Amino acid sequence: DAGITQSPRYKITETGRQVTLMCHQTWSHSYMFWYRQDLGHGLRLIYYSAAADITDKGEVPDGYVVSRSKTENFPLTLESATRSQTSVYFCASSLGSSSYNEQFFGPGTRLTVL
Amino acid sequence: KNEVEQSPQNLTAQEGEFITINCSYSVGISALHWLQQHPGGGIVSLFMLSSGKKKHGRLIATINIQEKHSSLHITASHPRDSAVYICAVTDTDKLIFGTGTRLQVFP
Repeated sequence: DAGITQSPRYKITETGRQVTLMCHQTWSHSYMFWYRQDLGHGLRLIYYSAAADITDKGEVPDGYVVSRSKTENFPLTLESATRSQTSVYFCASSLGSSSYNEQFFGPGTRLTVL
Repeated sequence: KNEVEQSPQNLTAQEGEFITINCSYSVGISALHWLQQHPGGGIVSLFMLSSGKKKHGRLIATINIQEKHSSLHITASHPRDSAVYICAVTDTDKLIFGTGTRLQVFP
């Protein structure tokens, strides 16, 4: 079905392990975003991508790596998970710049780092 | 000081009441977005506006660029409107989010 999907929806891992969260969209949107949502902070941008092979840091990029080899996929990797990375992660996409386009959000991935 | 401030943080209402949620921002923007986060966690875009007023069903969003202020109104509120409403402003290609207003509407 068309839309934006995230996998897994729930993940429990241990400190120090590498974790990859997947995001896939079927609209051929140029822009994709990764956010984390924590109590008291609202949504914070981790990384974003304006097109395939173009990525840029957001507000809280430390400890995360992204890639975008294909327009439809934007995986987020935690290279060595820490407890502070326990959060709900949302992927989003938009046709173009947020100045002129709304963002469409995936269902979220709840990550717990023990 | 946060660049995007919402008020109130929490709001309770009786079914049928008129609801107003406010958003103030401190940066120059191209557009302002209102989003809704359902109790289950899903986030949907409600409005994107750069001037004036937009209406969709019982929801109305207004923006005053000079005063750097936007309001989201819900007329004839219903329990299904219970959600977190999030204001976000554009920063070139990105959004800067407020921390949200939690609305609970009781029958």
